[in-house]
Amino acid sequence: DQQVKQNSPSLSVQEGRISILNCDYTNSMFDYFLWYKKYPAEGPTFLISISSIKDKNEDGRFTVFLNKSAKHLSLHIVPSQPGDSAVYFCAANGSGGATNKLIFGTGTLLAVQP
Amino acid sequence: DAGVIQSPRHEVTEMGQEVTLRCKPISGHDYLFWYRQTMMRGLELLIYFNNNVPIDDSGMPEDRFSAKMPNASFSTLKIQPSEPRDSAVYFCASSFGQPPETQYFGPGTRLLVL
Repeated sequence: DQQVKQNSPSLSVQEGRISILNCDYTNSMFDYFLWYKKYPAEGPTFLISISSIKDKNEDGRFTVFLNKSAKHLSLHIVPSQPGDSAVYFCAANGSGGATNKLIFGTGTLLAVQP
Repeated sequence: DAGVIQSPRHEVTEMGQEVTLRCKPISGHDYLFWYRQTMMRGLELLIYFNNNVPIDDSGMPEDRFSAKMPNASFSTLKIQPSEPRDSAVYFCASSFGQPPETQYFGPGTRLLVL
């Protein structure tokens, strides 16, 4: 069973518009959330993160929103650029168990059209 | 600085053969992770080490999979015997500090078992 779900396998957006990538989680013990970005033939790279004590974190064109009551987070990219075309993975970390580890979603492929 | 190094980048083998994937983490990092990426399950954590000691191997699919870290600069993931369902991209990642500290991923090994 997937504890971190990205229900949209793909998303297509026009250059300059907003991209919104969504992620849902089931475990209320998760206390830290991250987004990783992956280009073809490369490993994922860290993009942005948010602690459960916050509901928003911003870094340039990238903003992550967290809604704990809904167990939902989203990544907003404004404005979208063709270079943002990649697979985006949502990940959650829980420190309440015996070990810390990141649980990743299945990823969303973003295509930004020029 | 060199990032995480993985070899081979591609591996094609026949069912029943032994496969060994190799990883060199970033120097000074004390955590090493092995992940598997598939379309259906996204990025799955297989096992991770802290200071060369396995901490959590609950993601290892079955006894056919084994991982070792004989020293701080080298780790292997072995599949014996391999099966077609093992076909996936396998990533190694390392970090300085436990999750959710930023993990740095290698380029991955694309494995195809015929």
